Amino acid sequence: QQQVKQSPQSLIVQKGGISIINCAYENTAFDYFPWYQQFPGKGPALLIAIRPDVSEKKEGRFTISFNKSAKQFSLHIMDSQPGDSATYFCAASKHNFNKFYFGSGTKLNVKP
Amino acid sequence: ETGVTQTPRHLVMGMTNKKSLKCEQHLGHNAMYWYKQSAKKPLELMFVYSLEERVENNSVPSRFSPECPNSSHLFLHLHTLQPEDSALYLCASSQRSGNSPLHFGNGTRLTVT
Repeated sequence: QQQVKQSPQSLIVQKGGISIINCAYENTAFDYFPWYQQFPGKGPALLIAIRPDVSEKKEGRFTISFNKSAKQFSLHIMDSQPGDSATYFCAASKHNFNKFYFGSGTKLNVKP
Repeated sequence: ETGVTQTPRHLVMGMTNKKSLKCEQHLGHNAMYWYKQSAKKPLELMFVYSLEERVENNSVPSRFSPECPNSSHLFLHLHTLQPEDSALYLCASSQRSGNSPLHFGNGTRLTVT
């Protein structure tokens, strides 16, 4: 059973537009929700993360929105740029151990 | 420049070969991980070592054998692999306590012929 479900699988956005990627989880014990960005030929790199005691976290053009009651969280990329074209993974983990459950990834293509 | 270094970057091996993947972390972390990344699938956790002791093994086939001689080095020994084992193998490290994020290497692209 997949613990974290991610959508869409791929996304095409025009330069300057907003990219939105959604994730849903089942286990209410999860208390840490990071997003990773992966470029071709590279490993995933931490982009931004949130804990369930806040509903939103913003870092530059990247924002995580978190809905605890719906068990959903999403990544918003404002003013999307061609350099943002990459694969994005959401993840979730429990506090007592760093075991991460990953979504299946979203390949984002920002067209100039 | 990544704090987690993996070698080799690419590996092609036959089904009867024996090879090893190497990972080294320079971040002072005390937990290290092997993940398998296949196309359009979630990252699959293979092994976790914390303080040099293996604490997680997600029923990985015995043809994969990990080794963690110290907190900075991690190996994945491969033998008699199958073509379906072809994938990107990622090493990661983190602090053991709390919600510490994973830091990944750039992976080894493995092709089994």
